[in-house]
Amino acid sequence: DAGITQSPRYKITETGRQVTLMCHQTWSHSYMFWYRQDLGHGLRLIYYSAAADITDKGEVPDGYVVSRSKTENFPLTLESATRSQTSVYFCASSSDVPYEQYFGPGTRLTVT
Amino acid sequence: GNSVTQMEGPVTLSEEAFLTINCTYTATGYPSLFWYVQYPGEGLQLLLKATKADDKGSNKGFEATYRKETTSFHLEKGSVQVSDSAVYFCALRRNSGGYQKVTFGIGTKLQVIP
Repeated sequence: DAGITQSPRYKITETGRQVTLMCHQTWSHSYMFWYRQDLGHGLRLIYYSAAADITDKGEVPDGYVVSRSKTENFPLTLESATRSQTSVYFCASSSDVPYEQYFGPGTRLTVT
Repeated sequence: GNSVTQMEGPVTLSEEAFLTINCTYTATGYPSLFWYVQYPGEGLQLLLKATKADDKGSNKGFEATYRKETTSFHLEKGSVQVSDSAVYFCALRRNSGGYQKVTFGIGTKLQVIP
């Protein structure tokens, strides 16, 4: 199906474990983004990518790693999960002008 | 830096009531302004946008007018339905050349009761 998908939709993990959240889009959009959504903070940008092999930090990058070897995929890795990383994570993509972002359904991550 | 201010809510309204969700912003230059909607269990969807002063964005009965003099982009709907229950995010993006990051407000939760 066309669009932007995220997997898994729900994940429970333990402190210190490595976790990878997947994001896949079928539009061949240049830009991809990772946000986290927390009560009282709205959406905060973690990392973004302007193209394959080009990534840059957002507002809250500490504790996260991204890669983008293919245009359609943009995985987010928590190298050693902490409880403060419990959140809902959204992936988004956009083309060049007008840069409108399209969001995936989100991954709810709980770190125990 | 850029910022967007909106009330967190929840805003609770009866069906067919008039809705206003306030949004004010701080930005250098002349940003584009957006309203996104997030239905329960889903990602954000673009609801409407305005790219310059005095523009009115509209969609699904919702409207918002870009007011440069008051740096505001308030969301309105004349008659809400239960299906409008969602979280609404105001956002802005600078219009400088090339890609510019989007700044989101904290989101306002709307509950519409029958």
